[in-house]
Amino acid sequence: EVQLMESGGDFVQPGGSLRLSCAVTGFNFRNYGMSWVRQTPGKGLEWVSGVSGGGDAYYADSVKGRFTMSRDNSKNTLYLQMNSLRGDDTAVYYCVKETKFLGASHYDYWGQGALVSVSS
Amino acid sequence: EIVLTQSPGTLSLSPGERATLSCRATQSVSKNSVAWYQQKPGQAPRLLIYAASTRATGIPDRFSGSGSGTDFTLTVSRLDSEDFAVYFCQQYGASPVTFGQGTRLEIK
Repeated sequence: EVQLMESGGDFVQPGGSLRLSCAVTGFNFRNYGMSWVRQTPGKGLEWVSGVSGGGDAYYADSVKGRFTMSRDNSKNTLYLQMNSLRGDDTAVYYCVKETKFLGASHYDYWGQGALVSVSS
Repeated sequence: EIVLTQSPGTLSLSPGERATLSCRATQSVSKNSVAWYQQKPGQAPRLLIYAASTRATGIPDRFSGSGSGTDFTLTVSRLDSEDFAVYFCQQYGASPVTFGQGTRLEIK
């Protein structure tokens, strides 16, 4: 059974940092790209960043230069390091599985989500 | 980026009725790379349809997708009580991936 388990969501002040993790089981992790997608009541679903099976990362313009996505294929774990956090980064962050090694795709599995709240 | 507009915003129907949800893109979506997701309160989205018309594993055949170019449709042939939820479309034919704002399907 495929499972994606996020952790690390928290409350943080503007300008602060947070690292999300996503532990994966049930499929050959290194063979698939992964992404982070966030959701807010106001903006809906927004793709944040993605990483290929080989580790090449790419980002939405809204987070470029502030967020860093990485993966550890030996630990079947995905990471999202978020720096210089702003109020509009407040969202539920989902770890999602792509359906191919490289390039954008639909998402066949989603984690349960991690809440990140940025407020003073 | 490709903007997806879903309509209607809310659809009120009764169990057993047919639901038709629309997703329109601001430009043609490459290779009809459109997916549909269902989301219930407190849950993550669930994949229903990909490549515009292919049902995901385990999805009942009352769900179907159609369309090409800029206009895509999700149809639920006979609504079951468990189908009342929010539905999102996604395009993955161009970077960045984008989502529609959602259609809420509610019980009339």
